[in-house]
Amino acid sequence: NAGVTQTPKFQVLKTGQSMTLQCAQDMNHEYMSWYRQDPGMGLRLIHYSVGAGITDQGEVPNGYNVSRSTTEDFPLRLLSAAPSQTSVYFCASSPGLVNTEAFFGQGTRLTVV
Amino acid sequence: AQTVTQSQPEMSVQEAETVTLSCTYDTSENNYYLFWYKQPPSRQMILVIRQEAYKQQNATENRFSVNFQKAAKSFSLKISDSQLGDTAMYFCAFMKRTGTASKLTFGTGTRLQVTL
Repeated sequence: NAGVTQTPKFQVLKTGQSMTLQCAQDMNHEYMSWYRQDPGMGLRLIHYSVGAGITDQGEVPNGYNVSRSTTEDFPLRLLSAAPSQTSVYFCASSPGLVNTEAFFGQGTRLTVV
Repeated sequence: AQTVTQSQPEMSVQEAETVTLSCTYDTSENNYYLFWYKQPPSRQMILVIRQEAYKQQNATENRFSVNFQKAAKSFSLKISDSQLGDTAMYFCAFMKRTGTASKLTFGTGTRLQVTL
């Protein structure tokens, strides 16, 4: 039972590089989202999706792109990495409004130097 | 916009004792969900307990219970018979009932240390 799988678990980038954080869920959940976790700030919503082909911005979307071509996958793209994007990134999914429990991946620790 | 405030950055409790973590929130919504998540050193986010705002009865999950006071917009977590495995960061979170799921607003967290 995989649940929500994020890859990679750790990544170091140079300023200006681009990369994609992968997120996949095998629970057929409609709702998926990306959060970043910074010390003293909790988790903040970057982007979210309510289904394949539908995405929207969260609280801190600048510098990130997402797409949702399938129900299972919700990748997060960093277009031009900046030191301010050093953080731990979490992907989450949930079935919908009736069952609201969000299932989280194990996180990706990203360092931008 | 919703805000969630956890005013206790760190707390400590002895094994087998009871501890209460505080959470307040601000919203104009009437229908919403509140959650407590646990994040142990493994970094995994684990749902501890969930409360639906329209339910007056406080949620309970084994040793974990909440004191939900809707008028005061307060949602505290009580951990009874604390265990070493309860050592973790605890996050309070809010979700609107209408609109989109997976759109959680988190507090800044409380680091709980359970000692012998």
